[in-house]
Amino acid sequence: GENVEQHPSTLSVQEGDSAVIKCTYSDSASNYFPWYKQELGKGPQLIIDIRSNVGEKKDQRIAVTLNKTAKHFSLHITETQPEDSAVYFCASVASGAGSYQLTFGKGTKLSVIP
Amino acid sequence: GAGVSQSPSNKVTEKGKDVELRCDPISGHTALYWYRQSLGQGLEFLIYFQGNSAPDKSGLPSDRFSAERTGGSVSTLTIQRTQQEDSAVYLCASSPSRGTDTQYFGPGTRLTVL
Repeated sequence: GENVEQHPSTLSVQEGDSAVIKCTYSDSASNYFPWYKQELGKGPQLIIDIRSNVGEKKDQRIAVTLNKTAKHFSLHITETQPEDSAVYFCASVASGAGSYQLTFGKGTKLSVIP
Repeated sequence: GAGVSQSPSNKVTEKGKDVELRCDPISGHTALYWYRQSLGQGLEFLIYFQGNSAPDKSGLPSDRFSAERTGGSVSTLTIQRTQQEDSAVYLCASSPSRGTDTQYFGPGTRLTVL
């Protein structure tokens, strides 16, 4: 089955700096890659996603890049703010495999220091 | 509009008791997923419902776990004879249609088995 590795597990940055979180996946059939942000006591919230026919996608301060050849994708947050502090999860889906279930990375705890 | 809702938000039970967890998906969403989030295992897929099709139960950890979805909307996850290792946050997600990967999560139910 699919395996998603996520690094780093914790990340501290100064407010205003950039943060980068990287993930690799194992199943070459995976073609959808969402990123979720989870705050304490809440469910995961989708922040951005990318499909396999696109190499990069940007939404304001958040961007995701995908390298299908290398099977890795990354989340980039620029001009970080204290409210960006949360746990971030990458995930992958092999659409067409039946259930579209998400396989998650282990998460990255991001701390933005004011 | 209203998001995915789950109840109860917290459940404390004694080992050996049965519990029922409820999920109300976003109105009109035909796909519904249950995931479990625990410290040791991260986020794990449990079960998937799509319309009137047979559910994908491949993620259920044991036969003590079952789920149903009535009328294509509300879903109930039942855990029989709960064990301490069942303690986790149980998350529900819904998706607009079979062909759409994007999943939207509820706030979760935190289950504690004493």
